[in-house]
Amino acid sequence: GENVEQHPSTLSVQEGDSAVIKCTYSDSASNYFPWYKQELGKGPQLIIDIRSNVGEKKDQRIAVTLNKTAKHFSLHITETQPEDSAVYFCAAPSRRSQGNLIFGKGTKLSVKP
Amino acid sequence: ETGVTQTPRHLVMGMTNKKSLKCEQHLGHNAMYWYKQSAKKPLELMFVYSLEERVENNSVPSRFSPECPNSSHLFLHLHTLQPEDSALYLCASSQDFSGVGTGELFFGEGSRLTVL
Repeated sequence: GENVEQHPSTLSVQEGDSAVIKCTYSDSASNYFPWYKQELGKGPQLIIDIRSNVGEKKDQRIAVTLNKTAKHFSLHITETQPEDSAVYFCAAPSRRSQGNLIFGKGTKLSVKP
Repeated sequence: ETGVTQTPRHLVMGMTNKKSLKCEQHLGHNAMYWYKQSAKKPLELMFVYSLEERVENNSVPSRFSPECPNSSHLFLHLHTLQPEDSALYLCASSQDFSGVGTGELFFGEGSRLTVL
């Protein structure tokens, strides 16, 4: 079946360190990979996305890399700050359900000052 | 107000009650969604409406009944729920529902439902 595996489920880093979250997907035809950030008491918010025609995309301290051969993509956060603490979700398109996204289970990131 | 607003933020109901969740989007979007978020499980799509027509029903039990009277409002009517239905219910909107991976989802803050 369709699924998106996300690791780790929890991640704790010291302020200023880097954080990396990895996801793998099953459908080789997938071509769009967003990352959402969910702060406590709020809904998820898109922070970055990547399409399959590029291997890397960067936006200030966050970057996403994509390896289509291996069917995995990663979120990289550099120079982490306490406000980066949140739950991060990766997602990939569903082949069975047009327009739907399959989400990973999430990674709870804690940045310690 | 801006964005996507959901009411109520918290709801406690018994298994025999009937209640409704409300969602309103102020973004001029054409598609609206209901998602269920349970602990330790991925976000699950429940329903999608595009231009007020339901385009997706993800095998959701009939005790959940959606309603989309116009492109700005979405309701989720609840009746005879089970304790396992306790979860955070998130509403989202997007500019269009035009295919895989073409648009950002804008989420509300969710309605936390507890079924006793």
